[in-house]
Amino acid sequence: AAGVIQSPRHLIKEKRETATLKCYPIPRHDTVYWYQQGPGQDPQFLISFYEKMQSDKGSIPDRFSAQQFSDYHSELNMSSLELGDSALYFCASSVDRGGDEQFFGPGTRLTVL
Amino acid sequence: LAKTTQPISMDSYEGQEVNITCSHNNIATNDYITWYQQFPSQGPRFIIQGYKTKVTNEVASLFIPADRKSSTLSLPRVSLSDTAVYYCLSGDNNNDMRFGAGTRLTVKP
Repeated sequence: AAGVIQSPRHLIKEKRETATLKCYPIPRHDTVYWYQQGPGQDPQFLISFYEKMQSDKGSIPDRFSAQQFSDYHSELNMSSLELGDSALYFCASSVDRGGDEQFFGPGTRLTVL
Repeated sequence: LAKTTQPISMDSYEGQEVNITCSHNNIATNDYITWYQQFPSQGPRFIIQGYKTKVTNEVASLFIPADRKSSTLSLPRVSLSDTAVYYCLSGDNNNDMRFGAGTRLTVKP
């Protein structure tokens, strides 16, 4: 069965650079979620989209922005990267918003040097 | 969004039944309770979801008492591969769920 696809799987950036993470949800899933998980931490909800509109907003820094496109894929744009942004970034998708079962992707490991 | 509280860690042995209890005292009428499992460096994986009483699937059971202020995830006959972090979340279809501090389960031989 098709799963959530994230790219790239690994990314190394310098401080103050920008990064773009991509997420391709499971076909016919119209809700996408972004999470950040630092080393030894629990997943922190960043932002979600339902039918290409922002659905809910969590602890996403102002330096980050995201959107969901007409084909339902989503991109997380990160600017002015800081050392503390080094983390695993997970994307998840679900058929519907809110409490529906979320299917997580493999994650993108971002390292900021 | 209801806040959930779980034990930080639990130890068990292979073949035993493990029960992880989650407290959600402020759960709202429309909130569901959902449990996820996470292995290191992998995304969380859905285990089970329920609203009231008991739900069972091929991997776990979820017990929710009538007042819904707590829930218990039951894993029958755990194996070493069940060593993971388990998260209890609550929310409804209008509010995205938040991951709190999960329970780190260690299964020993």
